[in-house]
Amino acid sequence: EAAVTQSPRSKVAVTGGKVTLSCHQTNNHDYMYWYRQDTGHGLRLIHYSYVADSTEKGDIPDGYKASRPSQENFSLILELASLSQTAVYFCASRGDRYEQYFGPGTRLTVL
Amino acid sequence: QQQVRQSPQSLTVWEGETAILNCSYENSAFDYFPWYQQFPGEGPALLISILSVSNKKEDGRFTIFFNKREKKLSLHIADSQPGDSATYFCAASATDKVVFGTGTRLQVSP
Repeated sequence: EAAVTQSPRSKVAVTGGKVTLSCHQTNNHDYMYWYRQDTGHGLRLIHYSYVADSTEKGDIPDGYKASRPSQENFSLILELASLSQTAVYFCASRGDRYEQYFGPGTRLTVL
Repeated sequence: QQQVRQSPQSLTVWEGETAILNCSYENSAFDYFPWYQQFPGEGPALLISILSVSNKKEDGRFTIFFNKREKKLSLHIADSQPGDSATYFCAASATDKVVFGTGTRLQVSP
């Protein structure tokens, strides 16, 4: 059974609209991460969190907000979606040995 | 200082050959180096990892060779199978964050 799930799996949004991507983990891990994947750029860290009600900026946080209401849930929020935010977004949780467990991804298209 | 570089961008080998994927990094503070395997339409999955105190790690057909002095490592996939066709990401970590390379797309031809 999948330990990291994401919803929705795909989404089409309009420019300037608000988008919320959700992530849920059953690994009982403290750390959770949001990445975006673009062709030629690999995975880039947007936000992460190591405890509920607290989030940290990653390497490319501009245009994104994050929310960690509980240990299990971590959301990524695009307040004003832009064309440049079209990408595949992955959520991950981190185990005790620093290994990351990824969700299946959300394909976001901003038109 | 945070970059992780991978080469080649894409690689094609015949079934049964050894595929060699290369990775280099700049930050001397990195001490944990995982390799992730990603199939189309899926999230990356941890394949094998190594700590900087070791110079070699084996797991079945997969072996990491690590050279701390040169800040280089490589993933060797022995007896490559068509099912190994995927994108492989090298990554490096020192603290809370992991830095990923841009990936090597491996195609194994039968």
